[in-house]
Amino acid sequence: GAGVSQSPSNKVTEKGKDVELRCDPISGHTALYWYRQSLGQGLEFLIYFQGNSAPDKSGLPSDRFSAERTGGSVSTLTIQRTQQEDSAVYLCASSLGGGAIYEQYFGPGTRLTVT
Amino acid sequence: GIQVEQSPPDLILQEGANSTLRCNFSDSVNNLQWFHQNPWGQLINLFYIPSGTKQNGRLSATTVATERYSLLYISSSQTTDSGVYFCAPRREKLTFGTGTRLTIIP
Repeated sequence: GAGVSQSPSNKVTEKGKDVELRCDPISGHTALYWYRQSLGQGLEFLIYFQGNSAPDKSGLPSDRFSAERTGGSVSTLTIQRTQQEDSAVYLCASSLGGGAIYEQYFGPGTRLTVT
Repeated sequence: GIQVEQSPPDLILQEGANSTLRCNFSDSVNNLQWFHQNPWGQLINLFYIPSGTKQNGRLSATTVATERYSLLYISSSQTTDSGVYFCAPRREKLTFGTGTRLTIIP
């Protein structure tokens, strides 16, 4: 079946602009995660959605970052007033459930470049 | 949070060689995944292995949860095995190590 999809695959934006990144999880997966992969920081957790529960936003690096998940499926990560340090690959993952026993599957990522 | 160390950081091997990648973690975990990140950046699931041993073709993995480490074995390496291998134990959140960059030379 279809895996996790993300769009766009690449995004170049000017410093100060807002960007939106989209994630479509695997159908039927109730849990959705956002991660960021950058040269200096490796792969780091950003935010986690599970069903109708309040999201775990503990990994968001600043209040310029926000995310929402509509209808328990598609998610959008928004970065306001982008800075050069936001340049990274943003990865989305989904799993069948939210507990630790569930395997996470990753999308191909969105490469964000802030100029 | 959990500290994750992977070794070696870099490994260059001739095609056909075998290798062992190690992942040490600092606390008890509920889950552990191994991933291969290919040259295009895609993270490919290799194993979900909170404990015990699993095999999938030329790859196998062992996690000894009580001693807080996991091993990934790659036998008869092929050039398509090149890339970065990450282990990611999970207590509450998946925590990634810094990876082992594997280069297989034809």
